[in-house]
Amino acid sequence: EVQLVQSGAEVKKPGESLKISCKGSGYSFTSYWIGWVRQMPGKGLEWMGIIYPGDSDTRYSPSFQGQVTISADKSISTAYLQWSSLKASDTAMYYCVRLEEDVAVAAWDYWGQGTLVTVSS
Amino acid sequence: QTVVTQEPSLTVSPGGTVTLTCASSTGAVTSGYYPNWFQQKPGQAPRALIYSTSNKHSWTPARFSGSLLGGKAALTLSGVQPEDEAEYYCLLYYGGAQLGVVFGGGTKLTVL
Repeated sequence: EVQLVQSGAEVKKPGESLKISCKGSGYSFTSYWIGWVRQMPGKGLEWMGIIYPGDSDTRYSPSFQGQVTISADKSISTAYLQWSSLKASDTAMYYCVRLEEDVAVAAWDYWGQGTLVTVSS
Repeated sequence: QTVVTQEPSLTVSPGGTVTLTCASSTGAVTSGYYPNWFQQKPGQAPRALIYSTSNKHSWTPARFSGSLLGGKAALTLSGVQPEDEAEYYCLLYYGGAQLGVVFGGGTKLTVL
């Protein structure tokens, strides 16, 4: 069974750093892209970026370039999303999602359960 | 900045049929944008329904179908059930060096 399991909720202060995780299981972790999606309170889904754990090829949405860092450790089948200096506006739910890509197919299929990040002084 | 537009809200009666659409600010949506559709209920993670325009996942109920309609991606629900009340999001894949992906703003579907 394919699963993406994310790390638990975080409460941080502005200016602090944070790294949240997404652990894949039930499939070949290095053969599928993993993306990150932000959902601010009461708002829609926003694409942040994506990583291919097989070679760590990483792409960012222009809106998030320079604001976050996406990485992966294929030895433990885990992708990460990190901030060096959080802002109150980073308060949101963050989801990881797997991308299955093949000829004429692009399917964002399995989602993590989400990690709630709260940034407040 | 590419914008993907969905109806903000729609209402349908139980047993009825409703079509949600997904438009791109860049022009007509084609299969090359690999439209995907997701359902999200309050307090839950999104759930994938449709990929690459019209393909269903193994868990997608038969009453959901995807298509291209009038230059837009479309999600049709036939024989709507009360449990279909949810927010629905489309995703368009623009590819390129950034593997550009844009979500639509979402459609709140009410079953009444």
